[in-house]
Amino acid sequence: QQQVKQSPQSLIVQKGGISIINCAYENTAFDYFPWYQQFPGKGPALLIAIRPDVSEKKEGRFTISFNKSAKQFSLHIMDSQPGDSATYFCAARGRSQGNLIFGKGTKLSVKP
Amino acid sequence: DGGITQSPKYLFRKEGQNVTLSCEQNLNHDAMYWYRQDPGQGLRLIYYSQIVNDFQKGDIAEGYSVSREKKESFPLTVTSAQKNPTAFYLCASSTGTGNTAEAFFGQGTRLTVV
Repeated sequence: QQQVKQSPQSLIVQKGGISIINCAYENTAFDYFPWYQQFPGKGPALLIAIRPDVSEKKEGRFTISFNKSAKQFSLHIMDSQPGDSATYFCAARGRSQGNLIFGKGTKLSVKP
Repeated sequence: DGGITQSPKYLFRKEGQNVTLSCEQNLNHDAMYWYRQDPGQGLRLIYYSQIVNDFQKGDIAEGYSVSREKKESFPLTVTSAQKNPTAFYLCASSTGTGNTAEAFFGQGTRLTVV
């Protein structure tokens, strides 16, 4: 079963717009929720992460919103730029676990 | 310059051949991981190791083997038993468990069966 569900699969946004990617999880033992950015042919790079004791975390143009009761979290990219065009993965990790469980990814295209 | 180094970047395997993918880290991380990435499938865990000389199977371990003889190194062998090995393989490391342990990835090895 898929423990982290990510949507949409692909997203097209105009330059300057807001990109929103959503993830939902099932396991209430998860306590760490990172987002990774991956460019073609490269490894994923950690973008931003949140822990369930806060509802929002912002770093520059990137914001994670976290809804513990709904078991959902989302990535918002403000003022999206063509250079943001990449695949984004959400992930989750449980207490006492080291490995991350990933969503299937969202391919973002930002049109100039 | 700390990081995770995967080699080679591209690898070609003949049918029935075993190949080994290298992963080295100089971050002094205890935990290391191997993921497989296929288009539209996200990243799936093959094997992980929390400490030297110990490792655990992930979700798709069949047809793969690993060793962890040194803290810095976690090589992955794709055996002939893996029927569909063509994929992008990613190695990662982290300081371990807990919600402060960030995971970092190498640049990947693309394996193709010829």
